[in-house]
Amino acid sequence: AQSVAQPEDQVNVAEGNPLTVKCTYSVSGNPYLFWYVQYPNRGLQFLLKYITGDNLVKGSYGFEAEFNKSQTSFHLKKPSALVSDSALYFCAVGSKLTFGTGTRLQVTL
Amino acid sequence: GAVVSQHPSWVICKSGTSVKIECRSLDFQATTMFWYRQFPKQSLMLMATSNEGSKATYEQGVEKDKFLINHASLTLSTLTVTSAHPEDSSFYICSARTGTGSSPLHFGNGTRLTVT
Repeated sequence: AQSVAQPEDQVNVAEGNPLTVKCTYSVSGNPYLFWYVQYPNRGLQFLLKYITGDNLVKGSYGFEAEFNKSQTSFHLKKPSALVSDSALYFCAVGSKLTFGTGTRLQVTL
Repeated sequence: GAVVSQHPSWVICKSGTSVKIECRSLDFQATTMFWYRQFPKQSLMLMATSNEGSKATYEQGVEKDKFLINHASLTLSTLTVTSAHPEDSSFYICSARTGTGSSPLHFGNGTRLTVT
């Protein structure tokens, strides 16, 4: 069985500072890893994915994620946070998408 | 590209009635669509996988007779909540894939169902 863990319910960061949203996974074989963002009362928007290749994946809105096989992690990062980045972020694994519990990102001025 | 339209965005119905939710891929053909349910402040739970022209595959614990899924064409899947009860109140989200299993899913904006 595959699973995803997002250890932080909420991450608070000041605008302009770097942000990291953590994700670890458990899957047999090579993982398909995804990050999605959800704004209130909306569906999910795709940010980025890792299938194979470079461990550093660049995605939408300036986000990137680093795949670390030894640590089974796929943390989401952004060098400089914006207030508009405040939302709920989900890490997911697999072709049918098993989601983590989500991390609420709050960016303040 | 890859727009998924979900309708209605919200619906209120009385207990015992049925509600149909539509999910359309507007600019691509989706052989497979997925239906999720999201409880407040919780993650998305996969309910079923909808395949065009065949029966849906339901996840364990999901009542197939209560949540009827039809995938009549390559651009339309519907979820019907039959004989709805207050505990069925939730946020339902559909998604569709444009390619293989490694392709990202594209999500509709969800439907907020409230059963009174």
